[in-house]
Amino acid sequence: KDQVFQPSTVASSEGAVVEIFCNHSVSNAYNFFWYLHFPGCAPRLLVKGSKPSQQGRYNMTYERFSSSLLILQVREADAAVYYCAVCTLSGGATNKLIFGTGTLLAVQP
Amino acid sequence: DAGVIQSPRHEVTEMGQEVTLRCKPISGHDYLFWYRQTMMRGLELLIYFNNNVPIDDSGMPEDRFSAKMPNASFSTLKIQPSEPRDSAVYFCASSLPRQGNTEAFFGQGTRLTVV
Repeated sequence: KDQVFQPSTVASSEGAVVEIFCNHSVSNAYNFFWYLHFPGCAPRLLVKGSKPSQQGRYNMTYERFSSSLLILQVREADAAVYYCAVCTLSGGATNKLIFGTGTLLAVQP
Repeated sequence: DAGVIQSPRHEVTEMGQEVTLRCKPISGHDYLFWYRQTMMRGLELLIYFNNNVPIDDSGMPEDRFSAKMPNASFSTLKIQPSEPRDSAVYFCASSLPRQGNTEAFFGQGTRLTVV
């Protein structure tokens, strides 16, 4: 079954580097996507790709079946749910994103 | 662009009633997705459309759920009859994949409560 796995919670302290790990069992998957979600708001894309990449404080590692999101200099305001997703071809032509269950990041001052 | 627009933001209904959720995708996007968010399952893909045509509805949980996309700028997700276990946040997203680089843009979601 096509699934994306990630821890349910991760705890960190302000100023630290936090890593959120993700792996998948999705056939024909390409590209990882990391989304940030604050309750009541639209999930928004942080970083994506099929190779290691960086967007500001957000770094993404890449292996064929796994990826990690690293958040540098974590702040209390980063406390939110982080979703990992992979893109897969469906029916040979179309694209769909399969999401994990989300990781709640708790940040201690 | 105003982004993906969903309505209503909140919906409270009684068990057995029909519920209709609405979505306006970003203009020009040719893919539209409906997701359901719960604590246990995260973001589950229910159904998605390409150029207004349903491509994959394997995530639709039961026949009580149906979705339509009558034109490029509007889609509905309907639950009839609704049940308490349908309570969740429902997200609509749209995308314009190019060269395999799919980024889905999400709306703010509709929080559905069935009592």
